[in-house]
Amino acid sequence: AQSVTQLGSHVSVSEGALVLLRCNYSSSVPPYLFWYVQYPNQGLQLLLKYTSAATLVKGINGFEAEFKKSETSFHLTKPSAHMSDAAEYFCAVSDSSYKLIFGSGTRLLVRP
Amino acid sequence: EPEVTQTPSHQVTQMGQEVILRCVPISNHLYFYWYRQILGQKVEFLVSFYNNEISEKSEIFDDQFSVERPDGSNFTLKIRSTKLEDSAMYFCASSDNVGHYEQYFGPGTRLTVT
Repeated sequence: AQSVTQLGSHVSVSEGALVLLRCNYSSSVPPYLFWYVQYPNQGLQLLLKYTSAATLVKGINGFEAEFKKSETSFHLTKPSAHMSDAAEYFCAVSDSSYKLIFGSGTRLLVRP
Repeated sequence: EPEVTQTPSHQVTQMGQEVILRCVPISNHLYFYWYRQILGQKVEFLVSFYNNEISEKSEIFDDQFSVERPDGSNFTLKIRSTKLEDSAMYFCASSDNVGHYEQYFGPGTRLTVT
């Protein structure tokens, strides 16, 4: 069965610093992987997706993620954090029945 | 830009009451989903719906839950007799293809059962 593990429930960075949010997945089939962002009191917005094309995926707001099959990872990065990036980030895998299986989320705090 | 909408944004109900959460998916989408997020926890899949029938449901989606697409635009989630543990944010999502394409999420309905 598919599963997602996000290391670190909270990550704190300074404004301008590198953002790295970790996601590891388990999948018995070639996975489709997603990162979603949730701002306070809002729904889930897709940041980016991996669907077996390029392993380095670029998303909105300067985020990108790299699919590494050997490491079963799909970590999310952004070179320079902005205050507006403060939110909760969810990694998800789409399983063979197409439902999304989410990780437990990582809350990103950005310090001025 | 097309978006998924949900009503109401917040619903307060008493334990044992029936609630209906409403969603309007993106118009050309064919696949519909409900997820829930209990406060402080991960987003959990409830049910998927295609071609006017349930494709898959989770263990959470017991006999107290039902879904319906009563017309060409709405997609509803009904909880027949709410329990305190049903308090959560409920998200509707839709997609225009299955698997490869992203699901578009609505803003959610916060259900509070007292």
